[in-house]
Amino acid sequence: DSGVTQTPKHLITATGQRVTLRCSPRSGDLSVYWYQQSLDQGLQFLIQYYNGEERAKGNILERFSAQQFPDLHSELNLSSLELGDSALYFCASSEAGRRGEKLFFGSGTQLSVL
Amino acid sequence: QQQVKQSPQSLIVQKGGISIINCAYENTAFDYFPWYQQFPGKGPALLIAIRPDVSEKKEGRFTISFNKSAKQFSLHIMDSQPGDSATYFCAASRGSYIPTFGRGTSLIVHP
Repeated sequence: DSGVTQTPKHLITATGQRVTLRCSPRSGDLSVYWYQQSLDQGLQFLIQYYNGEERAKGNILERFSAQQFPDLHSELNLSSLELGDSALYFCASSEAGRRGEKLFFGSGTQLSVL
Repeated sequence: QQQVKQSPQSLIVQKGGISIINCAYENTAFDYFPWYQQFPGKGPALLIAIRPDVSEKKEGRFTISFNKSAKQFSLHIMDSQPGDSATYFCAASRGSYIPTFGRGTSLIVHP
């Protein structure tokens, strides 16, 4: 068990809808990362937060947004969903977001857009 | 542009054999190269990592070989076991500490 908790584990929704994925980092970790995993693209970095503030942005669509709350949990909001957004979304956390720091991944949220 | 290219996409090995997964990178500023292991239904977990100041790092049956001049690194799994069956991701990061992942290799070890 990595100590990172993601909810829900599975999410089925329709195109055009909006969903929220939730992540609780390991106790003491200040940095949270969101990744999207699909068969054709592998693990794609979306966005990183450190202690409530956005630190780095990757291939995140404008329809997607995220935030990290004062208790350090994070939420990834996906709106105007399209079929192509179906993927496994992972949250990871690390102690301070420093270079070479070990990432601890949650078990992911499987999103299916029908 | 894919900064870390991983091959093969899938690999089937007999128990006791050697599994070899290769990665190549383009950005010479990368200075940290971790490998992650992912079992079905789980998130990736750090397996082993190397920095470019060494050419090889070994932990148990797992070895990373690093060739800085060729910008390549590889994971060798000696005496492969069915329990090693998983997806393996190589990654690379630089000063921005966001690892860029390869597309993954699905390893199946037959008993």
